[in-house]
This record gives sequence, structure tokens and C-alpha cells, in this order.
Amino acid sequence: LAKTTQPISMDSYEGQEVNITCSHNNIATNDYITWYQQFPSQGPRFIIQGYKTKVTNEVASLFIPADRKSSTLSLPRVSLSDTAVYYCLVGDAGSGGYQKVTFGIGTKLQVIP
Amino acid sequence: EPEVTQTPSHQVTQMGQEVILRCVPISNHLYFYWYRQILGQKVEFLVSFYNNEISEKSEIFDDQFSVERPDGSNFTLKIRSTKLEDSAMYFCASSEPGPQGDTEAFFGQGTRLTVV
Repeated sequence: LAKTTQPISMDSYEGQEVNITCSHNNIATNDYITWYQQFPSQGPRFIIQGYKTKVTNEVASLFIPADRKSSTLSLPRVSLSDTAVYYCLVGDAGSGGYQKVTFGIGTKLQVIP
Repeated sequence: EPEVTQTPSHQVTQMGQEVILRCVPISNHLYFYWYRQILGQKVEFLVSFYNNEISEKSEIFDDQFSVERPDGSNFTLKIRSTKLEDSAMYFCASSEPGPQGDTEAFFGQGTRLTVV
């Protein structure tokens, strides 16, 4: 599984857009990029997943450059409830759909009123 | 929305005792996982399970641990002879096959295990 590097912490004011960048220089051809969110004392929750270019859902956008060696999670207009740890994960589910999700330290986002 | 459920939410046990943590994965999922998170630390992979056998396990998952799918719905983690350092939040997760590599794992709310 490709190693990922992301900032340990970030602060943002309410209403701002937050961009969290993750580096994954040794990403493999079959690897997907997935972001999870974790609130204290809760299980991680899937946010978004992508392979290349841009993916958008109702929660976030994921930007992946052509070389795929990094990715940026973009949270539009954050609120206090977005305060959480955000994990960038890179891995391959394999032909059978098996996926071992390995977490790094994550980025602790603190949203300030 | 379907969800992974775990019981109990909190388990306190004495050192040396055996505990069984229970999970009900999402019904049509085929892949099951256990993770743990020691307070203040990262989420660590323990084991994955597919087709009634262990697919992969980490170095943490030694002979003290075992997993089982005793029926069509439950997925359990047994920890024998618990130690103080086994105190952690244990998360169960499940996923279904995707057409390529695009799958997401759904996590339960966790069981907080406290060994005293």
C-alpha cells in the first residue's frame, strides 16, 4: 500500500473553504484514493473516492492531478460540525473487490467560529 | 441507510479474561475487517475476512486474537487472556466488491474495550 503524507493539523474559520492535500508519491496504477472522516469516539466515515481528475459529491470535492502523486480534499464552507480528523488512504481493492484500509495519522481539522 | 452495528458499545474486563466483540456487517457485504484505535493514536488494521477465512492480518493479530463468522450475520473478534495494552476502541467494518478498485469500507461505531 502506498504511503501517504498529510498535514497533522489545520485550523479554519467557519464558512471558509478548506483544502487538505495529501502526498502519495509511490501510488500504484491500480490504486484508488479515498478520504475518510472521523469524529471523536466514532468510527471512520467514507467521504469521497477517486482515481484521477476531479470527483465531487454532496459533501466534498477531490482533485487529483494527472501524475496522481497527490490529491486534495476540498470542503466547501466548513461549519463547526466539520471539526474532525481527515484521513487520506491509497490502496487497491484488487480484482475481487477486497480492500484493506490502512490509516495514517490523518489531519486534525479544527473549525473556529 | 444500512449500517454496521457493534455490541457492546463499552466492555470492561479484568486482565487475563477473554472477551468477544460482536459485529453485524451490512447484509450484502462480503468483506469484513477489524481495526483498533488506542486512545489518541491512529486506526490500526487487525484482520480482514472473506469467504469464511482470514484474507490478511497484521502483526498485531497474533495468537491472542481470533475471528469467526458463526452464522450468516455476525462477525466476532475474540481476544484471549486480555492485557492492559489491549484497551482500545475496536472497529468492525465491511465492504462489498467493486467493479475495479473502487470500494468503500463502512465502519461501525466501535466497542470501547477497557482492561483493568
